[in-house]
Amino acid sequence: SQKIEQNSEALNIQEGKTATLTCNYTNYSPAYLQWYRQDPGRGPVFLLLIRENEKEKRKERLKVTFDTTLKQSLFHITASQPADSATYLCVPGGRDDKIIFGKGTRLHILP
Amino acid sequence: DVKVTQSSRYLVKRTGEKVFLECVQDMDHENMFWYRQDPGLGLRLIYFSYDVKMKEKGDIPEGYSVSREKKERFSLILESASTNQTSMYLCASSLYFYGYTFGSGTRLTVV
Repeated sequence: SQKIEQNSEALNIQEGKTATLTCNYTNYSPAYLQWYRQDPGRGPVFLLLIRENEKEKRKERLKVTFDTTLKQSLFHITASQPADSATYLCVPGGRDDKIIFGKGTRLHILP
Repeated sequence: DVKVTQSSRYLVKRTGEKVFLECVQDMDHENMFWYRQDPGLGLRLIYFSYDVKMKEKGDIPEGYSVSREKKERFSLILESASTNQTSMYLCASSLYFYGYTFGSGTRLTVV
């Protein structure tokens, strides 16, 4: 069955450093991959989409890579700030309109 | 900005009650979705709709039904609420099968 694995443990990063979150997927060949941010008690917010023919995508301090050979996406936040603390969800999808949400990685940016 | 509004933030219902969760979006999106989110399980798709009066079962439709009489409104119905339906319910809408806009969620407690 299709599986998505994100860092199961919370990630603690010092303010100003780059935070890197990992998403691995198996038994799946997504045409694109999305990343969402979710704050406690709120709905997820769409951040970025990267397509299978794109190696890298940037948006302000965010950078996403998509390696279809490794079946992996990396999500980077540069110059991290305490306001970046949240849970980040990896969401592969698109081949048959089947979207699967990963369970997410909790990120804590320490002042 | 697209807005997805869920009628209640918190709801407490008794076992056996019929429960209606309402969701309205203001951007003329074709697709609307209902998810539930539980700790350790991530977001799970209950039902979705890609057009008025159309509905498709998601991964966990048992015990739920939906109604989409108007394009902007997608209702989730718990026919006879049970304690295992205590959860956070999230509604989303989108133009395509990516870039979802979520509502703030309804935290439902069934006692």
